[in-house]
Amino acid sequence: DGGITQSPKYLFRKEGQNVTLSCEQNLNHDAMYWYRQDPGQGLRLIYYSQIVNDFQKGDIAEGYSVSREKKESFPLTVTSAQKNPTAFYLCASRGQVGSGNTIYFGEGSWLTVV
Amino acid sequence: SQKIEQNSEALNIQEGKTATLTCNYTNYSPAYLQWYRQDPGRGPVFLLLIRENEKEKRKERLKVTFDTTLKQSLFHITASQPADSATYLCALLGRYGQAGTALIFGKGTTLSVSS
Repeated sequence: DGGITQSPKYLFRKEGQNVTLSCEQNLNHDAMYWYRQDPGQGLRLIYYSQIVNDFQKGDIAEGYSVSREKKESFPLTVTSAQKNPTAFYLCASRGQVGSGNTIYFGEGSWLTVV
Repeated sequence: SQKIEQNSEALNIQEGKTATLTCNYTNYSPAYLQWYRQDPGRGPVFLLLIRENEKEKRKERLKVTFDTTLKQSLFHITASQPADSATYLCALLGRYGQAGTALIFGKGTTLSVSS
């Protein structure tokens, strides 16, 4: 089945550590996104990528980094510079304009700082 | 700056009634608006998309209206059921940087349907 796979589902990070969240899609979508969700805050855009080897900052990019070396993959690294990383992270992808611009989400990754 | 507001954080209704959720936006001229459903601990799931030239869209018990003059969309669930209990998010395609676009979401309205 086509879809977006995020891993791991649960992740614990120690202070000062970098951690990487994986996001893979087999929908052949060009655009991919990372959102962060905190209680009462809705979804906030961290980074997005419209095409391979290109990505742009969203509203809350500080303390995060991404890469887009392959169309299928858009990993997110939460660096030690991110002071409050505990949150629910959602990866999404979007098809071409003709497909109606619907975006598809993964099941999310919970990151907790211990 | 671009802003989306969903007028209430929580809505409680009885089974069988119609739930109406509101989404207002400012500083946008969107080509379309989308509604998503999110269950606790899960990723949002797409429900409906309505384009700027459409006044109303229906899908089974769901109905969405889009008023670009009022800058408002209404999302209706008729004959609501306890299984409809979830958080509903509205989203618009916003412009970032030089030519980037990304969906920008409201904070959501949590609907609870009691039997």
